[in-house]
Order: sequence, then structure tokens, then C-alpha cells
Amino acid sequence: DQQVKQNSPSLSVQEGRISILNCDYTNSMFDYFLWYKKYPAEGPTFLISISSIKDKNEDGRFTVFLNKSAKHLSLHIVPSQPGDSAVYFCAASEGGGGADGLTFGKGTHLIIQP
Amino acid sequence: ETGVTQSPTHLIKTRGQQVTLRCSSQSGHNTVSWYQQALGQGPQFIFQYYREEENGRGNFPPRFSGLQFPNYSSELNVNALELDDSALYLCASSLASAGRNGYTFGSGTRLTVV
Repeated sequence: DQQVKQNSPSLSVQEGRISILNCDYTNSMFDYFLWYKKYPAEGPTFLISISSIKDKNEDGRFTVFLNKSAKHLSLHIVPSQPGDSAVYFCAASEGGGGADGLTFGKGTHLIIQP
Repeated sequence: ETGVTQSPTHLIKTRGQQVTLRCSSQSGHNTVSWYQQALGQGPQFIFQYYREEENGRGNFPPRFSGLQFPNYSSELNVNALELDDSALYLCASSLASAGRNGYTFGSGTRLTVV
């Protein structure tokens, strides 16, 4: 039973255009959502997060949108750069403190083409 | 400031054997969690340690056990290895007060069970 789903295994975007990565979840108890980026042979690195009480959070080129009624979130990267090519994981957690860990999706491989 | 370091980077074990993976937390971090990432999947939460006690656990059997030491470094032990235990094992450290944004992941240990 996958509680966090990333239905696109890969996404190819031209440099300079917008990249939109999508994520759906089923557990309505999730109250915090995060995006991680992973390069080969490295651990995931934190990118941006959003609390369930908000619908948008922005940090530079990265914006995360949350639609609670649809149980859907998306990560927008504008403009896309070659260094953005990586695997992006959507993750969620319920409750505070993090002791329940993060629930990750399977990831989307973003490829930025020159 | 050093990040999270894991050892070894790669390991091959035979089914039925036992394995110990090691993790040194980022300086100043007092909480450590472990994740298993099978091929083509997202990381799955195994457990978390705070002040040398397990304070959260995912859906993993008791043959997955851990330790956290006074210097906040940690071990993951897996007994009676099965072929399905072949995966990338990721360690993440954080400050308990940092919340879910604060995880720093290591590059992982690639375990192959034959």
C-alpha cells in the first residue's frame, strides 16, 4: 500500500523552461511534506517543504504547491538548469518530532536537456 | 562541519549471514534514523534513535536492530540476511529540535546478499 505516489518515473525538460514534478498521497494524517533531490552515489538532500496548513511555499527557483482536498502536491522549478538533473523524491510525515520517519515516493528522474 | 559518513560503501554477504553497517552523525546532531532503499523504490523508514534509545520504528522485522552510541554515531545490524535485504541503506542525522527539515543523509551503504 503506497501512501505517497510519484506516477512519473521520468521527466525531460528543456533548459530554461519550467519543470513540474507531481506527487499524490493517500494518508490524510500527513501534516508535513518535503521534497528531496538525489544525485547518483550521494544521499538525498533536502530541497523544500510545506506544512499542511499552507498551500504554497517558495524558495528561489523552487515552489511547492499543496492541494489538500485533492491530496496532491507539486514542485515547480523555474527556470530549469542543467544542475537540476537528478532524482526527486516526494516525502511526507505525520505527527511532530519525526519519530515516525518519512514516507517517500518512488522518485521522478528529471532530465534537463540543453 | 562534517556531514554524515557511512561505512562501508559497498558490501557483499551470503544469505543467512549477519551484517553491521555504521554511521557517523553530522557534528552536533543527536538523532539518527535509518532507511532502506531497494532498487527503483524510495527510501523506507527502518527506525530512529534519540539519546541511545529507539523512539520510532517502521514496518521492519526484529532481525533489523540498531544502536546509538554516546557520541551519537550509530549501527544498523541485520541478522539472518535474506536476498530481499539487498538494497542501499541510508543513515540520516538531525537535531531533535530541528524538525523534519533538518535531516542530513549520508551517501549510503550498498548491500548485496547472494
